[in-house]
Amino acid sequence: AQTVTQSQPEMSVQEAETVTLSCTYDTSESDYYLFWYKQPPSRQMILVIRQEAYKQQNATENRFSVNFQKAAKSFSLKISDSQLGDAAMYFCAYRRDNNNDMRFGAGTRLTVKP
Amino acid sequence: NAGVTQTPKFRVLKTGQSMTLLCAQDMNHEYMYWYRQDPGMGLRLIHYSVGEGTTAKGEVPDGYNVSRLKKQNFLLGLESAAPSQTSVYFCASKAGWEETQYFGPGTRLLVL
Repeated sequence: AQTVTQSQPEMSVQEAETVTLSCTYDTSESDYYLFWYKQPPSRQMILVIRQEAYKQQNATENRFSVNFQKAAKSFSLKISDSQLGDAAMYFCAYRRDNNNDMRFGAGTRLTVKP
Repeated sequence: NAGVTQTPKFRVLKTGQSMTLLCAQDMNHEYMYWYRQDPGMGLRLIHYSVGEGTTAKGEVPDGYNVSRLKKQNFLLGLESAAPSQTSVYFCASKAGWEETQYFGPGTRLLVL
């Protein structure tokens, strides 16, 4: 079974600074997708960024970027120029190609200090 | 632009009662999913559907049933609610060609 581990239950960052959230996963597959979702207090799950395992280039979306290390099975999220609105729970997720069972990590609660 | 909606937003049940949670999406998505979220854990897949009239089990299907009679709706049923089913339930949908799932706002269920 595929498992996703987020080793940081809580993180905090100063506004305008950079923070990195860690995620590791366990799989024997070669084709899969990785995601970071944000869950603010409203509870809505919002996609932040996704990465296809077959792509070597790290995905970026404005202030959000990932460091995808396939051999190490690591998928960290970097948030640059942190804003107060970035405060939320962040979930890392894995989904095998051609499979509907998406596995989530336990989440990291990010606090942004003004 | 509703996206994915869930009804109800919050519900309290007594042990043994039954109820149905409704998920609706207006994006013409083929795939729909039901997850539960418990404290200290990520979302876990209960059941999913790859198209109208089809359903399949996810990671934690016991105690739940689902139906997809219409493409835009995905119903999650609890026949005899148990306190262990106290959770926040999320519905999601995605297009067949896409990798990203779009989530509803969640339903908080408390079983006493």
